[in-house]
Amino acid sequence: EPEVTQTPSHQVTQMGQEVILRCVPISNHLYFYWYRQILGQKVEFLVSFYNNEISEKSEIFDDQFSVERPDGSNFTLKIRSTKLEDSAMYFCASSEGQGASNEQFFGPGTRLTVL
Amino acid sequence: AQSVTQPDIHITVSEGASLELRCNYSYGATPYLFWYVQSPGQGLQLLLKYFSGDTLVQGIKGFEAEFKRSQSSFNLRKPSVHWSDAAEYFCAVVRYNQGGKLIFGQGTELSVKP
Repeated sequence: EPEVTQTPSHQVTQMGQEVILRCVPISNHLYFYWYRQILGQKVEFLVSFYNNEISEKSEIFDDQFSVERPDGSNFTLKIRSTKLEDSAMYFCASSEGQGASNEQFFGPGTRLTVL
Repeated sequence: AQSVTQPDIHITVSEGASLELRCNYSYGATPYLFWYVQSPGQGLQLLLKYFSGDTLVQGIKGFEAEFKRSQSSFNLRKPSVHWSDAAEYFCAVVRYNQGGKLIFGQGTELSVKP
């Protein structure tokens, strides 16, 4: 069964460093998402992406964040200069179509720890 | 703004007992409603969803949920819990006209006693 994969499973970085979190969505999916979950808090939407453009982003997704689909298979989330409060579990998701009726398939997440 | 509340942070039930996990939403119109499950080390897996029609929806793994508009609730139920159901459960909503932006509740962690 096709699945969304994410690498690495755990990333530890120093404050101020850049990190890139990688995701491989399901191959025929066209819509891609990033969510994050700070420990003990809700899963929060960060950004959605379609046709090489951001479709929607939350207020969390500021200039320190960027997303890219560099090669037609990977979907990446970059944090330019990490802060302590960026420590969280980051989930990638993909769906065939847009709209609420299209199921989003989630990856297992990348735990980011900023020291 | 729409929101989702899961009042129970942690629930423990005995294996074989029935289960009900609560979810309340705040939204001006009928949203699309979802329940996801997350097992340790796994991603979020969709259990079931409600868009319209029959207010009792069946999902995978023997779960069901009932949409009650009058109570703004979408509670998840299972008649007999198995030890493998131990996981974290998330209720989520999407506005019909806001694409795929899922809004999640805080999650309920389910423990199952032998």
